[in-house]
Amino acid sequence: ELKVEQNPLFLSMQEGKNYTIYCNYSTTSDRLYWYRQDPGKSLESLFVLLSNGAVKQEGRLMASLDTKARLSTLHITAAVHDLSATYFCAVVLDSNYQLIWGAGTKLIIKP
Amino acid sequence: DSGVTQTPKHLITATGQRVTLRCSPRSGDLSVYWYQQSLDQGLQFLIQYYNGEERAKGNILERFSAQQFPDLHSELNLSSLELGDSALYFCASSGGSYNEQFFGPGTRLTVL
Repeated sequence: ELKVEQNPLFLSMQEGKNYTIYCNYSTTSDRLYWYRQDPGKSLESLFVLLSNGAVKQEGRLMASLDTKARLSTLHITAAVHDLSATYFCAVVLDSNYQLIWGAGTKLIIKP
Repeated sequence: DSGVTQTPKHLITATGQRVTLRCSPRSGDLSVYWYQQSLDQGLQFLIQYYNGEERAKGNILERFSAQQFPDLHSELNLSSLELGDSALYFCASSGGSYNEQFFGPGTRLTVL
């Protein structure tokens, strides 16, 4: 059974600091997604990581994938308040492209 | 705007009632997914349809059912509603090279 674990589940940090969210998964998968959700809002796709060693960056967010370690990271550089949200990773289960979701990391960035 | 639409935005109803949530996928997407998100909870996958056929089932209760119509819109039917069914219900659609799921704005269901 494919399981996806994120840590930490909650993170409170100061503006200007760097931090990393981790996403571990239990069995082989060749595709991983990161999403952002603001409170009470929908989910927004951030990154699609398709292969081992893939790295994608958008502004202060950078995501990477290590399929051998079954690990993805979402790195936040010089955090700003606008990045406060819940971040989810999700891994493809099978050919139906059903996603298995992590529990989400609630990120609060204090001014 | 993801291109996925959901109606209604909000729904307030009583226990024991039945409601229908509607979703229109992005133009060209054949897959539709339904999710439930309770307060401060993660996403629970309910069911997936592909071009009118059920493809995968998650933690969907027997009181819940869904279908996808020939025009590819989908409906999620929730019956014999209980207080615990109060949640945000999201629809997502996918297609294209990466099969990325794009989420609709959600329907907030409140069962009183």
